[in-house]
Amino acid sequence: DAGVIQSPRHEVTEMGQEVTLRCKPISGHNSLFWYRQTMMRGLELLIYFNNNVPIDDSGMPEDRFSAKMPNASFSTLKIQPSEPRDSAVYFCASSLVGGGYTDTQYFGPGTRLTVL
Amino acid sequence: GDSVTQMEGPVTLSEEAFLTINCTYTATGYPSLFWYVQYPGEGLQLLLKATKADDKGSNKGFEATYRKETTSFHLEKGSVQVSDSAVYFCALRRVSGTYKYIFGTGTRLKVLA
Repeated sequence: DAGVIQSPRHEVTEMGQEVTLRCKPISGHNSLFWYRQTMMRGLELLIYFNNNVPIDDSGMPEDRFSAKMPNASFSTLKIQPSEPRDSAVYFCASSLVGGGYTDTQYFGPGTRLTVL
Repeated sequence: GDSVTQMEGPVTLSEEAFLTINCTYTATGYPSLFWYVQYPGEGLQLLLKATKADDKGSNKGFEATYRKETTSFHLEKGSVQVSDSAVYFCALRRVSGTYKYIFGTGTRLKVLA
């Protein structure tokens, strides 16, 4: 299994630009999570999907952030417009929940975003 | 609400020393408990887990026991190696309802040769 795939691995952009982060979960998993990690705030859950439906987006910082999951094998996290305080490492994770599974989350390698 | 509290780091040990990283939790019911490890420049990896009281999770020489009476899930290893240097996260998930994990703030471990 290829694991969770994220792209790009590194992104450097200027303030005000649109940024799109991509994630391909593990095949067969039905839940997908987007996290943000910074030194100051640690690991924060932004949003999670179950069966492609957003279940909880209470962690999304503000309207500049949006996430979609058009199908079971792809999700995007978009920031528009980006700001320097959005600089962080963004992780995607997937898991299989329900039906007695122990729902271990598997994390991707992350996207390091730098907004200048 | 549910929460996880783990000891502040960094923790610095000499090779072959005994490791304990404390983790306590607050949750209703019987959550599943996890330890994840993050090596530099990488994502989090599951280290071990326990799904019910008195269960012991173990992997790569690390162990943690689910203690319902003390709401704790402390991570231990008898003899650490330089390669164990990483950040360790304790986490919980309730067994029903939300699929969210609640992560602790992470504890950085540095092992010196």
